Amino acid sequence: NAGVMQNPRHLVRRRGQEARLRCSPMKGHSHVYWYRQLPEEGLKFMVYLQKENIIDESGMPKERFSAEFPKEGPSILRIQQVVRGDSAAYFCASSGRQGVLSPLHFGNGTRLTVT
Amino acid sequence: GENVEQHPSTLSVQEGDSAVIKCTYSDSASNYFPWYKQELGKRPQLIIDIRSNVGEKKDQRIAVTLNKTAKHFSLHITETQPEDSAVYFCAAGGKLIFGQGTTLQVKP
Repeated sequence: NAGVMQNPRHLVRRRGQEARLRCSPMKGHSHVYWYRQLPEEGLKFMVYLQKENIIDESGMPKERFSAEFPKEGPSILRIQQVVRGDSAAYFCASSGRQGVLSPLHFGNGTRLTVT
Repeated sequence: GENVEQHPSTLSVQEGDSAVIKCTYSDSASNYFPWYKQELGKRPQLIIDIRSNVGEKKDQRIAVTLNKTAKHFSLHITETQPEDSAVYFCAAGGKLIFGQGTTLQVKP
């Protein structure tokens, strides 16, 4: 049973480019969460999605960031016109039918570096 | 908004000693409290969790206690080993807000 799959593991972008981060949840999981982690800091909630629905995006910056979880395919976190401050590790997590009352399983993260 | 405070930020113990990490939360509707361990450069991994209908849960050397009235919960690690060295995060709230993390160092 494959775990949460994130790709790419490492992503380098120049300022102004777009970054697309992908997350495939564990089999049978329909809830996806995205977190951002700066070096030596905690996990900051960004967005919570179910299939075709954004449930809570209160942690997402108002501009340049968007997320989706289509009916088919992985969840995508998209960052437009990246800036150096976007450099961080972005973790995706998924959970089963009970949503947040069941454990979150994390992927290995995507480490974004903006040059 | 929802908030989770975690203390201490760093903790250094001798091998074999116990370690305790404490968290407080603000959302009184919280009913699920997991703890995660993150080693350097790796993903967070769940080590233990507790739901609000119990006050304590134990799994070998790890235990978690919950006081819903006071809105705080704690992680207890007994007989610490060098491989316990990592960053530990607590979480609570409807969308799982994480604490700031505790860097635990176990000295051989």
